[in-house]
Amino acid sequence: NAGVMQNPRHLVRRRGQEARLRCSPMKGHSHVYWYRQLPEEGLKFMVYLQKENIIDESGMPKERFSAEFPKEGPSILRIQQVVRGDSAAYFCASSPPGTSRQYFGPGTRLTVT
Amino acid sequence: TQLLEQSPQFLSIQEGENLTVYCNSSSVFSSLQWYRQEPGEGPVLLVTVVTGGEVKKLKRLTFQFGDARKDSSLHITAAQPGDTGLYLCAGALGNTDKLIFGTGTRLQVFP
Repeated sequence: NAGVMQNPRHLVRRRGQEARLRCSPMKGHSHVYWYRQLPEEGLKFMVYLQKENIIDESGMPKERFSAEFPKEGPSILRIQQVVRGDSAAYFCASSPPGTSRQYFGPGTRLTVT
Repeated sequence: TQLLEQSPQFLSIQEGENLTVYCNSSSVFSSLQWYRQEPGEGPVLLVTVVTGGEVKKLKRLTFQFGDARKDSSLHITAAQPGDTGLYLCAGALGNTDKLIFGTGTRLQVFP
């Protein structure tokens, strides 16, 4: 049973470009969470999604950030017009229904130049 | 803002020693999870505790959830160099179970 998959593992973008981060949850998991880890800071919750629904986006910046979890395919975290402050490690976690256990992927390290 | 304070922040010990890491908050959590994170990798789930007062053991690691579900501890017996890493506690909040992460404890075990 493969773990949570994230790609790419490393992403370099110039200021103003778009970044797309993908997350495939573990088999049988229908809940996806995105977290961000800024340099020298802890992990911070961004958004919680179930298939085709955003359940809690209280941690998402108001502008430029969006997330989706379509019926088919991976969850996508999209950052438009990236700025240097978006440079961070972005982690996705998945959870089976009925449990609070969250299993993390290896992360995508975004560098904005 | 919910905060989870971990202590100590850094810990350097010799192989064979025992240690305890504490995780404290003023918030009540529906569950609490402990993770270990290696550089460049995602957090790896060690344990989830759900019930106040619950104690779980994983080989030489003992996890306890406080009676009021606001705090937790991780005790390692006879630490080994392989235990070196960043230990994170994370409390699950509300109906969504979003995790609030602790500030982390960086453990170094010397042979």
